[in-house]
Amino acid sequence: SAVISQKPSRDICQRGTSLTIQCQVDSQVTMMFWYRQQPGQSLTLIATANQGSEATYESGFVIDKFPISRPNLTFSTLTVSNMSPEDSSIYLCSVLRTGGTYEQYFGPGTRLTVT
Amino acid sequence: QKEVEQNSGPLSVPEGAIASLNCTYSDRVSQSFFWYRQYSGKSPELIMSIYSNGDKEDGRFTAQLNKASQYVSLLIRDSQPSDSATYLCAGNAGNNRKLIWGLGTSLAVNP
Repeated sequence: SAVISQKPSRDICQRGTSLTIQCQVDSQVTMMFWYRQQPGQSLTLIATANQGSEATYESGFVIDKFPISRPNLTFSTLTVSNMSPEDSSIYLCSVLRTGGTYEQYFGPGTRLTVT
Repeated sequence: QKEVEQNSGPLSVPEGAIASLNCTYSDRVSQSFFWYRQYSGKSPELIMSIYSNGDKEDGRFTAQLNKASQYVSLLIRDSQPSDSATYLCAGNAGNNRKLIWGLGTSLAVNP
């Protein structure tokens, strides 16, 4: 499986500010995903990061709030904009295993607290 | 009915016993199924994938898929305290490569 890193691992931010989370993979992957996981909850898909084109957002998530970049096949960023305490969560990137399967592998996550 | 449904638990088993985790799914989730293990404070880790009816074994883990009854299960033999975690069931819908997730079952293995 791919080795996936995320930066930062955690952060405490003030309301109204923005945070950009980076996801780096050690090999080229076709698809990358961004999830949110609130305490004690399951995973919620925010968007699929598409290389060279705009991300595909799930219902309830919009580009103005969660802009995503994917400049190449090994890197993506998620920005959480104009943060409020409700954005406090763990943010996870995942990658799709190459070879025609649907297996996803996760980065270590970014724990965000908004005060 | 939720698309992927799991009992939230907690499921408690003694060390050495078989832990049985179950997941049911709707018509929309049809092709491939996955079990992830998530330790507290960590990210999900893929432990089993299953694509066709029947059993698939990997070490102490066995995944079972029954498409007619729309359920998938995970058996953990000789459960160890280190197996204590939340187990997430996921399936894919169609060809868009997205996974649909259950809410997870918390497993506690008692020494």
